Amino acid sequence: AQKITQTQPGMFVQEKEAVTLDCTYDTSDPSYGLFWYKQPSSGEMIFLIYQGSYDQQNATEGRYSLNFQKARKSANLVISASQLGDSAMYFCAMREGFRGGGNEKLTFGTGTRLTIIP
Amino acid sequence: DSGVTQTPKHLITATGQRVTLRCSPRSGDLSVYWYQQSLDQGLQFLIQYYNGEERAKGNILERFSAQQFPDLHSELNLSSLELGDSALYFCASNPSDVSGTGELFFGEGSRLTVL
Repeated sequence: AQKITQTQPGMFVQEKEAVTLDCTYDTSDPSYGLFWYKQPSSGEMIFLIYQGSYDQQNATEGRYSLNFQKARKSANLVISASQLGDSAMYFCAMREGFRGGGNEKLTFGTGTRLTIIP
Repeated sequence: DSGVTQTPKHLITATGQRVTLRCSPRSGDLSVYWYQQSLDQGLQFLIQYYNGEERAKGNILERFSAQQFPDLHSELNLSSLELGDSALYFCASNPSDVSGTGELFFGEGSRLTVL
């Protein structure tokens, strides 16, 4: 079974609108972390936001927020007021187990290509 | 700038050849991870080193090998190259401590083209 599933290969969104990128995960470990990375056309991987499995509140970082629904095993990324520069590939990733001691391997989903339309 | 340095940035070679990709992690980071990203694909985990020792292994081919040196830089060796090995190879590092989020800091990648 896939550990990280991103079901939207591509999305087109009008500039200034909000967009939600879907991510579901599968793990039996009670301790895990969920990450979102952005990959623009230039290729680098840019860390956006993190949610720990024991965090009570949804993570927010500027225009990015993570809609964490633990019972549904979903960790959707919400981008508010989208901008042209948001056009990129977005990857959801998961770390299983506690961090530290060399246990930070991430498993990535297949990504969603987001295109912002002017 | 993530602080992770990868060389070379681009590499073009022929089938059957061998190449070495180099990674210098952020200062103080003990863990180095190698990922492969084929065209329009996600990132596939290859291998991880922690403080000089192999810590985790993914679907790394037997033709591929890696090591981490005492100064914590790492090299990924790809041999008997095939067309399908063409990809973007990322190195990432992490301090492997309990502070922060545990995010991986990625280099800019080495783009390998096998002709």
